Amino acid sequence: DIVMTQTPLSLPVTLGQPASISCRSSQSLVHNDGNTYLNWLQQRPGQPPRLLFYEISKRFSGVPDRFSGRGAGTDFTLKISRVEAEDVGVYYCMHATQSPITFGQGTRLEIK
Amino acid sequence: EVQLVESGGGLVRPGGSLRLSCAASGFTFSDHYMDWVRQAPGKGLEWLARSRTKVDSYITEYAASVKGRFTISRDESSNSLYLQMNSLKTEDTAVYYCTRDVQDWGQGTPVTVSS
Repeated sequence: DIVMTQTPLSLPVTLGQPASISCRSSQSLVHNDGNTYLNWLQQRPGQPPRLLFYEISKRFSGVPDRFSGRGAGTDFTLKISRVEAEDVGVYYCMHATQSPITFGQGTRLEIK
Repeated sequence: EVQLVESGGGLVRPGGSLRLSCAASGFTFSDHYMDWVRQAPGKGLEWLARSRTKVDSYITEYAASVKGRFTISRDESSNSLYLQMNSLKTEDTAVYYCTRDVQDWGQGTPVTVSS
């Protein structure tokens, strides 16, 4: 199974400041078809997960452009250019390159 | 608009069974991978099972933790996804989510396994 490792696990951020979450996979997430099936999810308190990005950097519908996803191979990053109050929650990376799909442990973003 | 609505959760005794349903709408059901993912209280996300597309003959895949106990299936006629859960354990207590391509998510249905 591919292990997804996120850092940090806790991320206190001042409103208006940037934030960055790293996700590393135990092996390359490049699929045989050439795509990299790395997604980022946001889970606000009491809500189901919500997709932010798929295939590393493709922004899902309704996701603000202060969010960005980048990376390749085994190293990926989610960035928020200026954190807002509504960004509080847990962020997960996950892959769907092969079975089983696995998730990172989650990074809890809070406002300082 | 894609909509996924789970139902069927509840309280069940260890060793018991439960069948979860997910009513899907707003997309061509047979064209998409459908998955079940769960989240134990205060914990992270765990993928459980996948039903591939009609073109892929609806091949199913399972996590090791549920293989042999859980069965994913779908009904094209009603655009419904199911998860039959047998031999339930206390550690199966979680909120169970239905997803389309692990992109669109339902609100989840809670399952509690307790005596």
